[in-house]
Amino acid sequence: KDQVFQPSTVASSEGAVVEIFCNHSVSNAYNFFWYLHFPGCAPRLLVKGSKPSQQGRYNMTYERFSSSLLILQVREADAAVYYCASCPVRAAGNKLTFGGGTRVLVKP
Amino acid sequence: DTGVSQNPRHKITKRGQNVTFRCDPISEHNRLYWYRQTLGQGPEFLTYFQNEAQLEKSRLLSDRFSAERPKGSFSTLEIQRTEQGDSAMYLCASSPPGWGLVRETQYFGPGTRLLVL
Repeated sequence: KDQVFQPSTVASSEGAVVEIFCNHSVSNAYNFFWYLHFPGCAPRLLVKGSKPSQQGRYNMTYERFSSSLLILQVREADAAVYYCASCPVRAAGNKLTFGGGTRVLVKP
Repeated sequence: DTGVSQNPRHKITKRGQNVTFRCDPISEHNRLYWYRQTLGQGPEFLTYFQNEAQLEKSRLLSDRFSAERPKGSFSTLEIQRTEQGDSAMYLCASSPPGWGLVRETQYFGPGTRLLVL
């Protein structure tokens, strides 16, 4: 069964680097997608792809079956749920398989 | 705002009633997806459209569920004879035409939260 795994909670202090690890068992999947989700809002895509990348304060590391999201200089406002997702390369639609989400807690 | 929009944002209904949700994707996105999310879980795939054609349905989509995308633009998801277990957030996403990472990249709406009493 295709599955994506990530920790349920990560706690940090303001100004630190937060790392959220993710790995998957999705057949024929190469790309990772990291989403940020605040309650009541649309999940927002942060970073994506099959190689290390950076978008502002968000860094993505990449291995074939695992990825980490690093949030640099974390702030209280970054406290939210972060989802890792992957999808298989197929000729048909690319449905995403999500992890259960990681709640990031930030202490001032 | 040119993002994915969903209506209504909240729906409370009684068990046995029918409900319908609407999703308007980003303009020119030809692929549209429906996901369901229950409390404490990640979104789970329900179904997918390419233009007006429904190309895949998950086993989660029982025969009480039906989705349409009649003109290849907006989509509706209907749940007939709702059950308490249908209570969840229903998310819609769209992706643009293209290949590889471009078409795999999905942009989500804010969801419709359904509560079945």
